[in-house]
Order: sequence, then C-alpha cells, then structure tokens
Amino acid sequence: DTGVSQNPRHKITKRGQNVTFRCDPISEHNRLYWYRQTLGQGPEFLTYFQNEAQLEKSRLLSDRFSAERPKGSFSTLEIQRTEQGDSAMYLCASSLVGGEDTQYFGPGTRLTVL
Amino acid sequence: AQKITQTQPGMFVQEKEAVTLDCTYDTSDPSYGLFWYKQPSSGEMIFLIYQGSYDQQNATEGRYSLNFQKARKSANLVISASQLGDSAMYFCATGRGTGGGADGLTFGKGTHLIIQP
Repeated sequence: DTGVSQNPRHKITKRGQNVTFRCDPISEHNRLYWYRQTLGQGPEFLTYFQNEAQLEKSRLLSDRFSAERPKGSFSTLEIQRTEQGDSAMYLCASSLVGGEDTQYFGPGTRLTVL
Repeated sequence: AQKITQTQPGMFVQEKEAVTLDCTYDTSDPSYGLFWYKQPSSGEMIFLIYQGSYDQQNATEGRYSLNFQKARKSANLVISASQLGDSAMYFCATGRGTGGGADGLTFGKGTHLIIQP
C-alpha cells in the first residue's frame, strides 16, 4: 500500500512564472486536500476535493491559485504569475470518507520563487 | 472558526523520559476531532493519534497517548519513554465532524521537540 506521493519534491522558479504541482493520493481514498506551510507555521488549508468535485475553494489564497482533480484520482495545484511570497511547502493529503477519515500527508513540494 | 494553541515553541527532554506536549483548542462545532502529527526535518507530516469529541476514553497508540480534557478544551500529547528518533516538530490539529478530517484541518504553530542522549 503506497502512501501519498507528490511531484516535484522541489521547484525553483523565477517571479512571474507559472508552476504546477501534482499529488497522487492513496489509491482508495476519495478525498484530497491541499495545504500550504510557511516557515515556522503549521499547515494552512487551501482546498479539497471529494472524488472530482472541488467542495471548498474559498480558502485558496488568491485567484492566481487553482486546483483540479479531473478524474477523481490525482490532483494538480497551479500557481500563476508566482510571487516571492508564494515560497513555501505545499502539502497534499488524502482520506477515505466513510472510513477512517484521517488525513494522510505526502512529502510535500517545496517551492522557491526567486 | 477553529483555533489551536500550542504554547511550547521548543522543548528539550532527556532520552527515555516521558514528555507532554500541550494543545488547547477552540471550536464552535458540536462534533470535532483532534489530531497530532509529527513532522521530522524531512518535511513529511506523519499521523500519530486521533481523538473524537464524543470519545469517552483517551486515545492511545503505542507510546503515544492523548490526554483529552473536554471541559478545559485541551488535548495534550504524551510520549512515553522518549527516543532520539522522536526529535521533530509536533503539530496539534482539529477538524469538524465525527471523523474530524472530513474538511480542512486547522493546525497550531507546533512544538519543536529535541530528545537529548
């Protein structure tokens, strides 16, 4: 049973560029979450999906952030026109609603915006 | 809105001693869950233990136990017989619903635990 995987693990980009991160959840999990973690803070919830439906997106930080889960399996998080303040760890988690319901996290993608 | 407060930014503990990490929470939800996660320097959040708001008994998982005091809104993590590998950041979190994790979790700022030989 593989855990949550995220790619890439590290991303360095220049200000103004677009970046996309991928998350593959635990295979039987139907919910998928995205969080952002800045230095010295706990993770901050951004958005989540149940299957392919995005059930909460009001917490996305700005309209530059968007997420998709087109077939209810993997998900992508895109940041357009990156800013230095976007530098952070982006964490993905998945859970099985109706089952244990605990969120299990992936290793994260560390973004550095120069 | 939910809030988690962890008042210990850092702790040093001798190996093999027990350690208690403090967590207080604030929520208006009648049903909620409380979670503890460990984050080593590698960055991955590792689930440790869960307590539901309606659970009568304190949760235990191996060397981890959760001291749940509902009236005081506290959910402290106790690690017995600490080991060098326990050195990490520890985060307390809460979420709505009976499972707690059905929506986004709200995390505290964490406690940096260092186990000394």
